[in-house]
Amino acid sequence: DGGITQSPKYLFRKEGQNVTLSCEQNLNHDAMYWYRQDPGQGLRLIYYSQIVNDFQKGDIAEGYSVSREKKESFPLTVTSAQKNPTAFYLCASSIRGYAGELFFGEGSRLTVL
Amino acid sequence: AQTVTQSQPEMSVQEAETVTLSCTYDTSENNYYLFWYKQPPSRQMILVIRQEAYKQQNATENRFSVNFQKAAKSFSLKISDSQLGDTAMYFCACFWGGTQGGSEKLVFGKGTKLTVNP
Repeated sequence: DGGITQSPKYLFRKEGQNVTLSCEQNLNHDAMYWYRQDPGQGLRLIYYSQIVNDFQKGDIAEGYSVSREKKESFPLTVTSAQKNPTAFYLCASSIRGYAGELFFGEGSRLTVL
Repeated sequence: AQTVTQSQPEMSVQEAETVTLSCTYDTSENNYYLFWYKQPPSRQMILVIRQEAYKQQNATENRFSVNFQKAAKSFSLKISDSQLGDTAMYFCACFWGGTQGGSEKLVFGKGTKLTVNP
């Protein structure tokens, strides 16, 4: 079945450690996105990528990094510079230019101890 | 800045009844699209319904319909014959297309938690 796979679903890390969240899609979508979800905050855009080897900062990119070496993959690294990394992270993809219709993964819950 | 506002943090409805979730947005753009997304307790978000701003006709998708008031910048979601499986967070969102491409983004409201009671 086509879809978006995020891993791991739950992740615990110590403060100061970098962590990488995986996002893989087999929908052949050009565009991919990372969102952060906090209670009462809705979804906030971290990074997005319209094509391979190109990505753009979203509204809250500080403390995060991404890469887009393959069309199918868009991993997110939460660095030690991110002051409050505990959150729920959602990856999404869309057909490029298809006006905001996103397909989402099941999310990754990161808890920093 | 473009904003999307959902003024009802939580709502509840009895099974089989109708409920309306409110959403307002602020933009000076003429070309935009509006969406309602649903996030059930499993947390995977899915698209419920979409409305193009240039279309006057309100979108409908089975039991879900919208009331799009462009002048008032209002975009409410009506759920008819509510079912227990409709229990979820509902997010209103607006997409403003970038003029150069590659700058597309979707702005979400903070969500409304809907509980359908048996």
